[in-house]
Amino acid sequence: QQPVQSPQAVILREGEDAVINCSSSKALYSVHWYRQKHGEAPVFLMILLKGGEQKGHDKISASFNEKKQQSSLYLTASQLSYSGTYFCGTEIIGRGSTLGRLYFGRGTQLTVWP
Amino acid sequence: EAGVVQSPRYKIIEKKQPVAFWCNPISGHNTLYWYLQNLGQGPELLIRYENEEAVDDSQLPKDRFSAERLKGVDSTLKIQPAELGDSAVYLCASSLVAGELFFGPGTRLTVL
Repeated sequence: QQPVQSPQAVILREGEDAVINCSSSKALYSVHWYRQKHGEAPVFLMILLKGGEQKGHDKISASFNEKKQQSSLYLTASQLSYSGTYFCGTEIIGRGSTLGRLYFGRGTQLTVWP
Repeated sequence: EAGVVQSPRYKIIEKKQPVAFWCNPISGHNTLYWYLQNLGQGPELLIRYENEEAVDDSQLPKDRFSAERLKGVDSTLKIQPAELGDSAVYLCASSLVAGELFFGPGTRLTVL
């Protein structure tokens, strides 16, 4: 049930771009993206619902391909503040108590250097 | 607006001892979650409440873990007795409806 994220780690220079991928073996209703800085709580970035929409704010955007059960997070012109671990959370199309349950991936550690 | 409050922030206990964590969600948030996060891993759901009702607790190890959310506001998660493998960060989160989760700072538990 747990989605697979890739890559496990990314190291960038300020201003460079990065893509983080998330894939599931199950049919998805939604994909959530969170960022967690060391020692802090995860912080919400965005939700994508099935329908193949793309979302974004500032220089961080994401897409969701429901046919492939995949989502990608795009970080453009990365800033030092983008450093952290990025988690995708997937909501599987299902029934009963699992409705609304999020399965988080293992995370992608992003480090941005000046 | 105050965020999700958790206490304590850190707890060190010896194995076989009991331990309890407390969470106060954002005011008005009906849904409350307890997650466990091991080092280098993503959060794993333990239990989800809709108001006072535990609607998803299938991943809670009920032989040693228990939770309650009296009056549909704050919540307590208990472990009794604690085992070495329970060392982790316990995160509480809340949401207004299904969607954006607001996480608390977590409780880091160390079992010796």
